[in-house]
Amino acid sequence: GNSVTQMEGPVTLSEEAFLTINCTYTATGYPSLFWYVQYPGEGLQLLLKATKADDKGSNKGFEATYRKETTSFHLEKGSVQVSDSAVYFCALSSGYSTLTFGKGTMLLVSP
Amino acid sequence: EAGVVQSPRYKIIEKKQPVAFWCNPISGHNTLYWYLQNLGQGPELLIRYENEEAVDDSQLPKDRFSAERLKGVDSTLKIQPAELGDSAVYLCASSLDTNEQFFGPGTRLTVL
Repeated sequence: GNSVTQMEGPVTLSEEAFLTINCTYTATGYPSLFWYVQYPGEGLQLLLKATKADDKGSNKGFEATYRKETTSFHLEKGSVQVSDSAVYFCALSSGYSTLTFGKGTMLLVSP
Repeated sequence: EAGVVQSPRYKIIEKKQPVAFWCNPISGHNTLYWYLQNLGQGPELLIRYENEEAVDDSQLPKDRFSAERLKGVDSTLKIQPAELGDSAVYLCASSLDTNEQFFGPGTRLTVL
């Protein structure tokens, strides 16, 4: 079956530091890959997505590249801000629209 | 444009009591999802509707959980009776066909 593995958190960074959150997946076929973000007290929001190998999704300074050969979709940002503090979920969708999520990684950014 | 609306936001009940959650999807979205999110975990699908039809309810514990989506718009998820292990956040999401899913803020259930 499908599964997503994310690095455990919390990830604690100072403002303007470089961020990487690792995500690997197992899936049949050719899934679409997503990063969702959940701010405190809010619902999940789609951050970025990639639908085929070598695609790069990007939004708000965040990027992730769909690597089929390593079954990975790592999230990166060159300079994090305090406002980026949230929980980040990697997810995949194959076949129908059902999403399979990782456990989430909490990011804490200090001034 | 209004997002996905869920109510209540918080609910505290005693075990063996019934509880219901309500979801109003984004207008025009024909697909509706209920997810369960345990503490420290990612959301897991409970049921997916396309219009009025439940097309995927394989993960819904049917002995105590039920859901309905009358008229293909609003949806209600019910637990009867609730158990301690049901304490979690229940998320509703909607989409137009199989496109991007938009999530509501969730209902946090505490069973005492």
